[in-house]
Amino acid sequence: AQTVTQSQPEMSVQEAETVTLSCTYDTSESDYYLFWYKQPPSRQMILVIRQEAYKQQNATENRFSVNFQKAAKSFSLKISDSQLGDAAMYFCASLSGTYKYIFGTGTRLKVLA
Amino acid sequence: GAGVSQSPRYKVAKRGQDVALRCDPISGHVSLFWYQQALGQGPEFLTYFQNEAQLDKSGLPSDRFFAERPEGSVSTLKIQRTQQEDSAVYLCASSLVRSSGGDEQFFGPGTRLTVL
Repeated sequence: AQTVTQSQPEMSVQEAETVTLSCTYDTSESDYYLFWYKQPPSRQMILVIRQEAYKQQNATENRFSVNFQKAAKSFSLKISDSQLGDAAMYFCASLSGTYKYIFGTGTRLKVLA
Repeated sequence: GAGVSQSPRYKVAKRGQDVALRCDPISGHVSLFWYQQALGQGPEFLTYFQNEAQLDKSGLPSDRFFAERPEGSVSTLKIQRTQQEDSAVYLCASSLVRSSGGDEQFFGPGTRLTVL
C-alpha cells in the first residue's frame, strides 16, 4: 500500500528566508509521481511542483524546488525567498499505478513579516 | 469556466437529513474525483469518474454515499441520512485525461459540511 508521511505539522519562516518541508513516502511501484500541493485558507488546492520518479533531476519552479532522494523515499520541498503569500497548508502526494492520489497530513507554513 | 466550482460552499445539516453536493469540473476534463478532507487531515479519495462512468467507488465510506455524473460533466455527491462523522470538507477535482500519467488534478474550493 502507498503511504505518505509529513512529520512537520507546522513550520515557520521569516519573510525572505528559506524553508524546507519534509515528506517521506512508500510505494512498491517502480513508476510513480510525486506532488506538492498548496492549500491557502480559501481551501482551493493548487499544484506547486511535480516530480516524475524516473527523472533523476530535481524539479524546480521559480522559488520552489524539491530534493528527491529515491533510495531514501524522501521528497522535500524547499521554498526560497519566502513571501507572505506562501503561507498555507502544504500537502505532499504520491500517484503510482492508478489515479488515486495519496496525500500526507499536511504541514502548515507560517510566514513571519 | 476558469476552474472547478463547487456548491454550496457551506452546508449545515441536521443528523438524518439528506444532502447533495455539486461539482462543475473544468470544461472538457475527462476525469473527475471526489475527496473527503477531515479537519487537520489530507484529502482522502472517495470515487473516480471517467466521463460518465464511475470506475472506482472504493473510497465511499458507506452505502449512504452515492455519486453520479450522468452526462460526463457535472457531478453530484449525495449523502443520505447524514451522521456527525460525515462532517468534513468535500473536495472535487478534475483532470484533462485519464489520470494514469501523472496528470495534474485541478481542485475546487470544497464544500464544508457540518452535521449537527
